[in-house]
Amino acid sequence: DTEVTQTPKHLVMGMTNKKSLKCEQHMGHRAMYWYKQKAKKPPELMFVYSYEKLSINESVPSRFSPECPNSSLLNLHLHALQPEDSALYLCASSQDGTATNEKLFFGSGTQLSVL
Amino acid sequence: KNEVEQSPQNLTAQEGEFITINCSYSVGISALHWLQQHPGGGIVSLFMLSSGKKKHGRLIATINIQEKHSSLHITASHPRDSAVYICAVPVFGNEKLTFGTGTRLTIIP
Repeated sequence: DTEVTQTPKHLVMGMTNKKSLKCEQHMGHRAMYWYKQKAKKPPELMFVYSYEKLSINESVPSRFSPECPNSSLLNLHLHALQPEDSALYLCASSQDGTATNEKLFFGSGTQLSVL
Repeated sequence: KNEVEQSPQNLTAQEGEFITINCSYSVGISALHWLQQHPGGGIVSLFMLSSGKKKHGRLIATINIQEKHSSLHITASHPRDSAVYICAVPVFGNEKLTFGTGTRLTIIP
């Protein structure tokens, strides 16, 4: 199994809602990533978990809260988002987080719209 | 100036043509990633290379570390190759990739 599975594929939420994005992989990878991608722009790194510990937070607003319950799962909890947070949210994983010599495996993303 | 520059930004070609996409970077690296993103979002890792050349099917990637330049070639291009191709390099440690702005490729039947 070489898949990274993201749910839901699409999400529409209001600015007062609380929702969560989920990501799952069963490749035994110990590094997992959240990226945000606006239309026609490259992905922007948000968070990196390495061995279930948060290792990088790219100064992301606190309305985004990541969680790594175990080595296979990664969640992104959303609360009080703004319309400008509408984007494609991509999850990725790699063997142990050394992008220098590891292939990244991406999920198909969650297209988020904030109304 | 972006640390990773790609050219061209957009490329339209006829089916069967040989395609070349270029990536130049300004930082010292030990590996470079080529990624493919189809409309609808999913990203696929095509290659990760640190020297020389790699081939997978009709795709060939080359890198020249001294010149800080990499190319992605597609032979016998097909409409299903239409996608955005992105090169990315690890900087500031090993966990973070810096992405190029992507090359939008359209292959016309």
